[in-house]
Amino acid sequence: DTEVTQTPKHLVMGMTNKKSLKCEQHMGHRAMYWYKQKAKKPPELMFVYSYEKLSINESVPSRFSPECPNSSLLNLHLHALQPEDSALYLCASSTSDRDYNSPLHFGNGTRLTVT
Amino acid sequence: DQQVKQNSPSLSVQEGRISILNCDYTNSMFDYFLWYKKYPAEGPTFLISISSIKDKNEDGRFTVFLNKSAKHLSLHIVPSQPGDSAVYFCAASGGIRATNKLIFGTGTLLAVQP
Repeated sequence: DTEVTQTPKHLVMGMTNKKSLKCEQHMGHRAMYWYKQKAKKPPELMFVYSYEKLSINESVPSRFSPECPNSSLLNLHLHALQPEDSALYLCASSTSDRDYNSPLHFGNGTRLTVT
Repeated sequence: DQQVKQNSPSLSVQEGRISILNCDYTNSMFDYFLWYKKYPAEGPTFLISISSIKDKNEDGRFTVFLNKSAKHLSLHIVPSQPGDSAVYFCAASGGIRATNKLIFGTGTLLAVQP
């Protein structure tokens, strides 16, 4: 069982919809991450939150909007997505974004399909 | 520009034998390297890591070797078991920004035959 929980597991949305992906961890980690993985490609970093503040935005389009309401929760708000945004969205956490001897713990991801 | 490369997309090994997965990197600023295993429909699971101050780290059946001069690392699994069949990603972090920003390789699909 993963200690990082992502909901929903699957999501199908139209290009005009607004939806949100949710991620939760209770390991006391203070860094949380969103990664995107396309088929047969490696995970690619989207956002990093450190102590509930956005520390890295990898030039992600504004139709993706992250939010970190508290140290245990991370959301990704989606609006006006394109079919090419269909992918597996992975959430991860680690003890700190400055301690890079601490490995990332990943959730099982949300499989997103944009129609 | 792929900074972390896994040149073998797949590898097939007999149960009980050694599996060797390879990874090359180009950024000399990387100083922490990890291996993750990924089953279908699951997120990556951390396996083992190595800091650039070491050249070997061992954890049970898994050993990671780092050759900094060649910018190469490898993961050895011995003995290989059918349950090891998965996609293996190597990842690297470090550098000027010194944040826990992992750069993943393209992955190697390991199939362990019973």
